[in-house]
Amino acid sequence: DTEVTQTPKHLVMGMTNKKSLKCEQHMGHRAMYWYKQKAKKPPELMFVYSYEKLSINESVPSRFSPECPNSSLLNLHLHALQPEDSALYLCASSDGRVPNTGELFFGEGSRLTVL
Amino acid sequence: EDQVTQSPEALRLQEGESSSLNCSYTVSGLRGLFWYRQDPGKGPEFLFTLYSAGEEKEKERLKATLTKKESFLHITAPKPEDSATYLCAVPSGGSYIPTFGRGTSLIVHP
Repeated sequence: DTEVTQTPKHLVMGMTNKKSLKCEQHMGHRAMYWYKQKAKKPPELMFVYSYEKLSINESVPSRFSPECPNSSLLNLHLHALQPEDSALYLCASSDGRVPNTGELFFGEGSRLTVL
Repeated sequence: EDQVTQSPEALRLQEGESSSLNCSYTVSGLRGLFWYRQDPGKGPEFLFTLYSAGEEKEKERLKATLTKKESFLHITAPKPEDSATYLCAVPSGGSYIPTFGRGTSLIVHP
């Protein structure tokens, strides 16, 4: 199984809502990532978890709150978002136990629209 | 400041018309250069990692090369299914986490 599964595929929320994006992988990978991608722009790194601990936070606003309940799951909790947060949110994983080749396995993304 | 610059921004080819995409980088002490492919509405898919000047890697109709200043992704006799955005990336900070360039959008017409 070489898949990273993200749910939901599409999410529409108001600025006062609280919602969560979920990501799951069963490849035994120990590093998981959240990227944000706006239209016609490259993916931008938000957070990195390594062995279930937050290792990188790219100065992301606190309205985005990541969580890694176990080595297979990664969540992104959303609260009080702004319309400019509308984007494709990509989850990825990599095998952190071997010298890193830069190979990340990406999910298909969650398309978020904030009204 | 962009560490990788990709050109062209967009490229249209006829099926079978070979061409090359360029990725120039300004990172000193390069620890790797990555190529990914991204289809519309999907996550990027890893293609290659190149570590040193002179290195080449191939996958089907794609061949990636690396010099001390840039990398090329050569596409030989492309097919419509090769249509995608091709992203070049370099490691960020002290890790191997990709920082992506803006990409080249390739369309191959039948």
